[in-house]
Amino acid sequence: AQSVSQHNHHVILSEAASLELGCNYSYGGTVNLFWYVQYPGQHLQLLLKYFSGDPLVKGIKGFEAEFIKSKFSFNLRKPSVQWSDTAEYFCAVKITTGANNLFFGTGTRLTVIP
Amino acid sequence: KAGVTQTPRYLIKTRGQQVTLSCSPISGHRSVSWYQQTPGQGLQFLFEYFSETQRNKGNFPGRFSGRQFSNSRSEMNVSTLELGDSALYLCASSLTTSGGFNEQFFGPGTRLTVL
Repeated sequence: AQSVSQHNHHVILSEAASLELGCNYSYGGTVNLFWYVQYPGQHLQLLLKYFSGDPLVKGIKGFEAEFIKSKFSFNLRKPSVQWSDTAEYFCAVKITTGANNLFFGTGTRLTVIP
Repeated sequence: KAGVTQTPRYLIKTRGQQVTLSCSPISGHRSVSWYQQTPGQGLQFLFEYFSETQRNKGNFPGRFSGRQFSNSRSEMNVSTLELGDSALYLCASSLTTSGGFNEQFFGPGTRLTVL
């Protein structure tokens, strides 16, 4: 069965530190990849997505992610975090030839200390 | 444009009861997907409806069911509630035409607590 792994459950950083959150998936075929963010008390929002083309994708609020096909990874990065980035981050995968649903990782909680 | 709305926002039920949750998608969106979010399992796909038909179903028991109306509003029902059904139930809508995939927009969720 397809699975999505986020190995960091809780990450604590000081403001201005760099961020990298890991995401690995287990499907060998063609996938679409997503990062969603859930700010405290708010809806899940799409940060960025990868469908094809340049494996380095840029999203909102200065986030970017790199798709490395050989490693089945789609890690999220931000050079300098802010207190307002405190949230839960979810990696998600859609199999392109499969059903129209997303497989989510269990999420990584990011706490940014001012 | 109004976002995805879900009602009720909070619900408390006891074991054995049944519950119905409602989701109104963004205007013009025809696909509605439901997910269950729990601390241990994360977000898990329940089912997707498109044009009043269930198009996909996740790995959940038959106690979980849903439907979609002609105006694209969707309901999900859980019968014979169990303690483990306590979760945040999220609805997501998208434009998705047949065979395509568009961004899913999520609602705020319904927090179900089973006592």
